[in-house]
Amino acid sequence: QKEVEQNSGPLSVPEGAIASLNCTYSDRGSQSFFWYRQYSGKSPELIMFIYSNGDKEDGRFTAQLNKASQYVSLLIRDSQPSDSATYLCAVSPISSGSARQLTFGSGTQLTVLP
Amino acid sequence: DVKVTQSSRYLVKRTGEKVFLECVQDMDHENMFWYRQDPGLGLRLIYFSYDVKMKEKGDIPEGYSVSREKKERFSLILESASTNQTSMYLCASSALHIEGISGANVLTFGAGSRLTVL
Repeated sequence: QKEVEQNSGPLSVPEGAIASLNCTYSDRGSQSFFWYRQYSGKSPELIMFIYSNGDKEDGRFTAQLNKASQYVSLLIRDSQPSDSATYLCAVSPISSGSARQLTFGSGTQLTVLP
Repeated sequence: DVKVTQSSRYLVKRTGEKVFLECVQDMDHENMFWYRQDPGLGLRLIYFSYDVKMKEKGDIPEGYSVSREKKERFSLILESASTNQTSMYLCASSALHIEGISGANVLTFGAGSRLTVL
């Protein structure tokens, strides 16, 4: 059973702080890693993906991947109240092809306090 | 600007009823998916389709069937609704390829259909 684990939270950070969201996965063959954001009452939307070990930055977001330790994290710098949402980690065992193998974690609820 | 449209936002059905959930995408995507989302369980794949008339079971297909007669439309059918199928149902689509990444895993979701089975 392939598992993707996230701390469900809620995680609360003050406005302007760095929010750190973590995700661990059980399948060592995992190759692709995705972060989706889901606002309350809305559907998920992709915010970042990462394939290689190390960091990938996109604006205020940084995805970090460590395949040896089987974890992927998402850092949100200068957190804003508009970042308050549930963040879903998703993992795929292959770098291309069928999305059938995409496994989602249950999500971490983030609240950014003004 | 709506790209994935689900026909019903809220439905209330009775046990044993047949339920149809419709999904239409206007992005010419090859892949379409049905997920259900429950608190603490995350998103679980019910079925997906990679082409017209093609379908594959996901992780929790029991009690569900699907139909894809046209590329843009993917229907989820509950043959005999049960209370344990009360959930939020999310339709999604994806392309085969997006430059630089695996398009198949870049999902665009619909707004969701919240089904309550009494």
